[in-house]
Amino acid sequence: EVQLVESGGGLVQPGGSLRLSCAASGFTFSSYWMSWVRQAPGKGLEWVANIKQDGSEKYYVDSVKGRFTISRDNAKNSLYLQMNSLRAEDTAVYYCARVPFLTHIDYWGQGTLVTVSS
Amino acid sequence: EIVLTQSPDFQSVTPKEKVTITCRASQSIGSSLHWYQQKPDQSPKLLIKYASQSISGVPSRFSGSGSGTDFTLTINSLEAEDAATYYCHQSSSLPFTFGQGTRLEIK
Repeated sequence: EVQLVESGGGLVQPGGSLRLSCAASGFTFSSYWMSWVRQAPGKGLEWVANIKQDGSEKYYVDSVKGRFTISRDNAKNSLYLQMNSLRAEDTAVYYCARVPFLTHIDYWGQGTLVTVSS
Repeated sequence: EIVLTQSPDFQSVTPKEKVTITCRASQSIGSSLHWYQQKPDQSPKLLIKYASQSISGVPSRFSGSGSGTDFTLTINSLEAEDAATYYCHQSSSLPFTFGQGTRLEIK
């Protein structure tokens, strides 16, 4: 059974940093593109970043470029999102997602809430 | 960036009714359009991939159609458990984008 379990969310002040993790199991992690998608409270879905199977390609939505870094450790079956210079508008539930062939999202984690507030 | 516009934003429907949700892309995306269902306090769930391909485990009352810029999600014989928000998503070009969502309320 495919499982994606996020952790690392919490309350952080504007300008602060946070690192999200996603533990993957039930599939060959190193064979898949992975993504982070976020959802602000009461709002719709927003794609944040993608990373290729070997980490050689990374793509970001413009609003997080230069502030967020997606990475992965295939030996640990883990996906990460380093978030720096956080803003109030980054407040959201962050989902880890599996993206076969960089197309649709076939599995989602349960999400982890990030709140940026003073 | 490709903008996806869904209609309607909200619909109140009765059980057994047929529901149609549309998604229009700001430029042609071929068949790179996917549909998700999100129930309150849950993660999204894949319903349809590549505009019309069914997903194992998803009830057959859900179907998709379209190509290019105009797409449709159809729910035949709506059930109470279908109360949710539905999103379309394009993977034709980066950045990936989602529609704003369509919330279905069951009367």
